This record gives sequence, structure tokens and C-alpha cells, in this order.
Amino acid sequence: QKEVEQNSGPLSVPEGAIASLNCTYSDRGSQSFFWYRQYSGKSPELIMSIYSNGDKEDGRFTAQLNKASQYVSLLIRDSQPSDSATYLCAVASLNSGYSTLTFGKGTMLLVSP
Amino acid sequence: DGGITQSPKYLFRKEGQNVTLSCEQNLNHDAMYWYRQDPGQGLRLIYYSQIVNDFQKGDIAEGYSVSREKKESFPLTVTSAQKNPTAFYLCASSIEAARTNEKLFFGSGTQLSVL
Repeated sequence: QKEVEQNSGPLSVPEGAIASLNCTYSDRGSQSFFWYRQYSGKSPELIMSIYSNGDKEDGRFTAQLNKASQYVSLLIRDSQPSDSATYLCAVASLNSGYSTLTFGKGTMLLVSP
Repeated sequence: DGGITQSPKYLFRKEGQNVTLSCEQNLNHDAMYWYRQDPGQGLRLIYYSQIVNDFQKGDIAEGYSVSREKKESFPLTVTSAQKNPTAFYLCASSIEAARTNEKLFFGSGTQLSVL
């Protein structure tokens, strides 16, 4: 069974601070990694994807991947109250020729004004 | 606007009843998926389909059934065999299922509750 682990939180940070979200995964064959943001009662929305080791930056968001350690993280700089949401880590693997995503349980982020 | 439409937004099921959740997409995507989300939990894969008239079981398929008669439509039936159906159900699609870098696009979800 493929597993994706996240700290459930909540992670509380003050406005303007850096929020750091972490994720580990069990399947060494995993090839693609995604971070989704989900507001309460809403569907997830993709905020970052990363496919190779290293850092990938997009605006205030930076995703980091270390395949040797089976670890992926998301940094949110200059955190805003509107960033308060649950962040889902998702890992893609091929299974009999089809790609499926395995999701972690999510980390709740609370940004206080 | 292109997107994924799920209906209804809220659904109530009586004990012993089968209910069907609708999912329609106009993105011309080949692959479609159904996920279940319980409070405080991540998404768990129920079924997925790469092409018309073909679908595969996900991690928690028991008590559910699907069909894929048209590329645009992937309805999910929650049968009476599913003893704990209360959850938030999400339909998603991607261009194709054969590549791991394909992004998922989600519908707005259906909240199913048991009366």
C-alpha cells in the first residue's frame, strides 16, 4: 500500500512569516509530486507540481523535492490570512500503465493577522 | 467555460437505497476519477477510467459502481452494500492517465449523507 504522510497540524504562523509544510512518501517509484490547497467544503486546487530533485519556485510558493529521502516540502513566503487552508500532498505513480495519485491527509495551515 | 460539473451538491441516502452521483466534463479529457474524502482525511481513490467502456478499481471500490458510456460522463453509484457512505465525493479528470505528470482538475464535489 502506497503511503503519503503529512503532519495534520494545525500549523500556526503569523502574517508575513514563512510557512513550511512537509510530506514523506513510501513508494520509491513515484515520479511526480503535487501540492493542492483545499478550503473547507471546497474542492482541492493545484498550487505546485514538481518532478525532479531540487527547488521549484512560483511566486510566494517554493516546492522542494528530495527523492533519495522520499521527501517533498512546500514553503509559503509572506504568509497571508487567505493562505489559511488545508494543504494536501499528492504523489503520482504508474500502476499497470495508469497514473494514479495518492494523497496525504493534509496539513491545516492557520495564518493569523 | 470548460470544467467539471458534479451534481447534486448535497445528497441524502436512505438505508438500503442506491444513489447515483453525476459527473460531467467538457474538457475533452480521456481520464476521469472518483475520490472519497472523510473529515480530516485525504482523498481516497474509488474508481478511475482511461477510456470509454473501461474502468479500474481504486483503493476503496467495494460498495461502489461506475460506468463510462460517454467520454464526457462518469457517474458513480453508491450501492446499499456501502455501509458507511457519508463523505464528500470528488470527481476529477486529466488529459490522460498514462503519464504521471498530468494534473488533475476537480469538480466542486457532492456531500452525501445518510438519513
